[in-house]
Amino acid sequence: AQKVTQAQTEISVVEKEDVTLDCVYETRDTTYYLFWYKQPPSGELVFLIRRNSFDEQNEISGRYSWNFQKSTSSFNFTITASQVVDSAVYFCALSLYTQGGSEKLVFGKGTKLTVNP
Amino acid sequence: EPEVTQTPSHQVTQMGQEVILRCVPISNHLYFYWYRQILGQKVEFLVSFYNNEISEKSEIFDDQFSVERPDGSNFTLKIRSTKLEDSAMYFCASIGLYGYTFGSGTRLTVV
Repeated sequence: AQKVTQAQTEISVVEKEDVTLDCVYETRDTTYYLFWYKQPPSGELVFLIRRNSFDEQNEISGRYSWNFQKSTSSFNFTITASQVVDSAVYFCALSLYTQGGSEKLVFGKGTKLTVNP
Repeated sequence: EPEVTQTPSHQVTQMGQEVILRCVPISNHLYFYWYRQILGQKVEFLVSFYNNEISEKSEIFDDQFSVERPDGSNFTLKIRSTKLEDSAMYFCASIGLYGYTFGSGTRLTVV
């Protein structure tokens, strides 16, 4: 099966704490992309990162960092010094190429992050 | 930065009515998609569209759903006879050089 598992349903932290959101994926493909999206209460999907399966370098963008480990099929997301504005649902997603040639995304169930002041 | 535009942002409809959700993908993108998110659940693939035809559809995308690109810019999702369980957020997306771009979604409420 090709799927994404986000085992943490909800996480609650206090502002300025660091928090890591876990993502484990399964795929038969050798070439794929992994994504993280943020969904604030307003409902839109905010793109955070896309990572190619051949690029295992960790990435840092401001307070955000991502750890991609192919050996454990994980693509974890860390927020450093969390802020109230980080409160949202975060989705990890895996791209799959379909028989029709299109690329569809398979999403995890999401992790709801609440950052308390 | 180019955007995928969806209208309306909210729609309330009575059960059994037809609804059309509209999207304007990014102009030089070639693949277009609809995804659905039932409240509190994960985002699910519905259908992909390329070269004016469906290239892939999920088991959710049954005969009550249809998609078309009527004029080369708009991309629509039609639900023929809405059911209560069609209440969800519907996202349009298109693919370009840097990957997926999602619209801001249409929240459909069936009453």
